[in-house]
Amino acid sequence: DAGVIQSPRHEVTEMGQEVTLRCKPISGHNSLFWYRQTMMRGLELLIYFNNNVPIDDSGMPEDRFSAKMPNASFSTLKIQPSEPRDSAVYFCASRRSGTGSSYGYTFGSGTRLTVV
Amino acid sequence: GNSVTQMEGPVTLSEEAFLTINCTYTATGYPSLFWYVQYPGEGLQLLLKATKADDKGSNKGFEATYRKETTSFHLEKGSVQVSDSAVYFCALSDRDGGFKTIFGAGTRLFVKA
Repeated sequence: DAGVIQSPRHEVTEMGQEVTLRCKPISGHNSLFWYRQTMMRGLELLIYFNNNVPIDDSGMPEDRFSAKMPNASFSTLKIQPSEPRDSAVYFCASRRSGTGSSYGYTFGSGTRLTVV
Repeated sequence: GNSVTQMEGPVTLSEEAFLTINCTYTATGYPSLFWYVQYPGEGLQLLLKATKADDKGSNKGFEATYRKETTSFHLEKGSVQVSDSAVYFCALSDRDGGFKTIFGAGTRLFVKA
């Protein structure tokens, strides 16, 4: 099992550019989560999907952020246009569904985004 | 709503010392409780979990007991190693929260040789 795979590991971009982060969840995991981690705000849930359907996007900071999950093995988080305050580590995590609450998450290694 | 409160860090210990990281929670239902660990430059990893009252989760020498009467899930280890230096997150998940996991703010642990 390769775990949750995120790409790229590091991204440096200029303010105003579009950024796309990618995630491949573990096969058989029905739920996928996007988190953002910063020193100031800690770990923040941005959006999560269940069976490829967005369930809760209340954590998405603004319209500049969008996320898609076109199939069970792939998700993207897009920021357009990017701003310096978007600099953070972005994590993707997946989890089995079913009875739900007793399953833990498997996190990817994260994408460190720097917007200059 | 659901919430998790854990002790502020950093916690600094010498090798072989006893570790306790306190965690308390608020939940309307009957949550499952978790501890995650994050090593530098990596994502969070599930360390242990407990799904009902009085359950004890354990892994790699770490333990935590689900105490419903005190709404707590404190993390303990009898003898820490330098390699345990990391950030530890307490978390809960339950049906009333839509099965989203709520994370605490994290506690950074430094272990000195």
